[in-house]
Amino acid sequence: EVQLLESGGGLVQPGGSLRLSCAASGFTFSDYAMSWVRQAPGKGLEWVSVISGSGDSTQYADSVKGRFTISRDNSKNTLYLQMNSLRVEDTALYYCAKEGCTSIRCYCNCWGQGTLATVSS
Amino acid sequence: DIEMTQSPDSLAVSPGERATINCKSSQSVFSSSSDKNFLAWYQQKPGQPPKLLIYWASTRESGVPDRFSGSGSGTDFTLTISSLQAEDVAVYYCQQYYTIPRTFGQGTKLEIK
Repeated sequence: EVQLLESGGGLVQPGGSLRLSCAASGFTFSDYAMSWVRQAPGKGLEWVSVISGSGDSTQYADSVKGRFTISRDNSKNTLYLQMNSLRVEDTALYYCAKEGCTSIRCYCNCWGQGTLATVSS
Repeated sequence: DIEMTQSPDSLAVSPGERATINCKSSQSVFSSSSDKNFLAWYQQKPGQPPKLLIYWASTRESGVPDRFSGSGSGTDFTLTISSLQAEDVAVYYCQQYYTIPRTFGQGTKLEIK
């Protein structure tokens, strides 16, 4: 059974940093691209970033480009999202999601429960 | 960016009746080289993460009841629930994965009448 467990969320002041983690199990982690998708309270879904299975290809939404960095450690079956220069509008539940394909041009076929990042003074 | 627009924003349907949700993209999400539409549908129930229902516009994910179906091509797509059940109450999102950034529709809230 595929399992994705996010952690690392919390309360941070504007301009601060957070590092989110996603521990994956139940599949060959390195075979699949992985994504982060966020959802502001009471709002819809917003795609944030994707990384290929090998980690050599990454893409970002314009809203986070230059501030967020996606990475993965295939030896630890873990996905990361380093979030710097955080803004109030980054407040959201951040979901880790497994892609259904090996490429980064794919849908998300499994989602974690999410970790909440709150940016507030 | 490709803009995804869903209609209606909310929908109330009687149990056993058909529910139809539409999704329109501002550009085609069809790839002639792969002969596929890069369009997915997700279901999100309150307090839960999204769940994949349909990918490649019309392929049902494993384990998804066959009352859910997807259709359409190019820029116009439809999610149909043939006979609404109480457990189908949720918000439904379409998403294109043809280009970066991937974009979602605004969501359609489906309720029981």
